[in-house]
Amino acid sequence: AQSVTQLGSHVSVSEGALVLLRCNYSSSVPPYLFWYVQYPNQGLQLLLKYTTGATLVKGINGFEAEFKKSETSFHLTKPSAHMSDAAEYFCAVRSSNAGNNRKLIWGLGTSLAVNP
Amino acid sequence: GAVVSQHPSRVICKSGTSVKIECRSLDFQATTMFWYRQFPKQSLMLMATSNEGSKATYEQGVEKDKFLINHASLTLSTLTVTSAHPEDSSFYICSASLAGAGNEQFFGPGTRLTVL
Repeated sequence: AQSVTQLGSHVSVSEGALVLLRCNYSSSVPPYLFWYVQYPNQGLQLLLKYTTGATLVKGINGFEAEFKKSETSFHLTKPSAHMSDAAEYFCAVRSSNAGNNRKLIWGLGTSLAVNP
Repeated sequence: GAVVSQHPSRVICKSGTSVKIECRSLDFQATTMFWYRQFPKQSLMLMATSNEGSKATYEQGVEKDKFLINHASLTLSTLTVTSAHPEDSSFYICSASLAGAGNEQFFGPGTRLTVL
């Protein structure tokens, strides 16, 4: 079974400050890991994903995440927050052995607020 | 590329009526589509997984006869909420996925259903 835990349902940072959104997962098989962003009343947009290879993954809008197997973590970071980064962020995991079943297991989400 | 559309974006209906929501992959063929439901300030709840040409696989607790899913082609899946009631009011999001173990889900913009 797989699960995702996002620590902190709400995170508030100042504009220009470091953004750190935490995600820990559990998986009995090698995982594929994803971060999605959702703006109000919109669908989800993929920020970045880890499947295989380099453990530091760079995504869109200046975000990056590092897969740390020993810590079962996939935290999302951005060096300098912009006002436009205010949104809901979701971490998700799926099995790399899923075959035709590509079901994602979702975290509960972290709401990011950026203060001027 | 990889654009998914949903129609309608918003729908208001009377209790007891049925509502159909369309999900289309505009520039790719989606072997699998997913239907999610999202309550305010909450994570996504997977309702069902739909493979083209076969019956949808529903998650535990989701009523098959209430939420009818049809995936008639590689670019179109529909969700019909039958005999809608106010408790069915929610944000419904679809996603589409290509064949292949590592491909992410591409999300539609969502449909806001309000049942009066």
